[in-house]
Amino acid sequence: DVKVTQSSRYLVKRTGEKVFLECVQDMDHENMFWYRQDPGLGLRLIYFSYDVKMKEKGDIPEGYSVSREKKERFSLILESASTNQTSMYLCASTDREQETQYFGPGTRLLVL
Amino acid sequence: GESVGLHLPTLSVQEGDNSIINCAYSNSASDYFIWYKQESGKGPQFIIDIRSNMDKRQGQRVTVLLNKTVKHLSLQIAATQPGDSAVYFCAENTDSNYKLTFGKGTLLTVNP
Repeated sequence: DVKVTQSSRYLVKRTGEKVFLECVQDMDHENMFWYRQDPGLGLRLIYFSYDVKMKEKGDIPEGYSVSREKKERFSLILESASTNQTSMYLCASTDREQETQYFGPGTRLLVL
Repeated sequence: GESVGLHLPTLSVQEGDNSIINCAYSNSASDYFIWYKQESGKGPQFIIDIRSNMDKRQGQRVTVLLNKTVKHLSLQIAATQPGDSAVYFCAENTDSNYKLTFGKGTLLTVNP
């Protein structure tokens, strides 16, 4: 079974803090994705990566950056957290042969 | 008051009944479709997929139907159980980088 894990289920941070969200997959997948999910807006793509050290902006990259130093790990970074970044963050991965994205359990982030 | 956009379409069924959840997709060039199930507080879970060269695919208690003429996808759940209560959303692949476009979802409530 594909397993995608995220470092935290719940996080509470203060405005202006730097926040790291970690995602690890154990299936040697090339492609990894970060989404945020908000009521009424569905899943929105922040960034994705199709290889180590490669990254592409998604639909809403502003205020975020990412890092992919190892194939299994994809990190989402909020350089200076703001209250409008309070959300559910979901990581997903897939390999080049498949198109199904497998999701982690999500991190619910609250920025105060 | 709350925006209408914050409210998901809702389907309420009795335990044991069949459920049909619908999705209108956006791009006639999409060639791959997925249904996901998301329980409260969890990440989306893959249910079933279908390629555009098929119009029907069956899994265990689930069937996906694809009507390319009207760009419509449906998920049928047989003998719905309380554990099926969740948000269900469809996704379509319209991009060679394996990016998916997600629907907003439908909330399925199963009454015992």
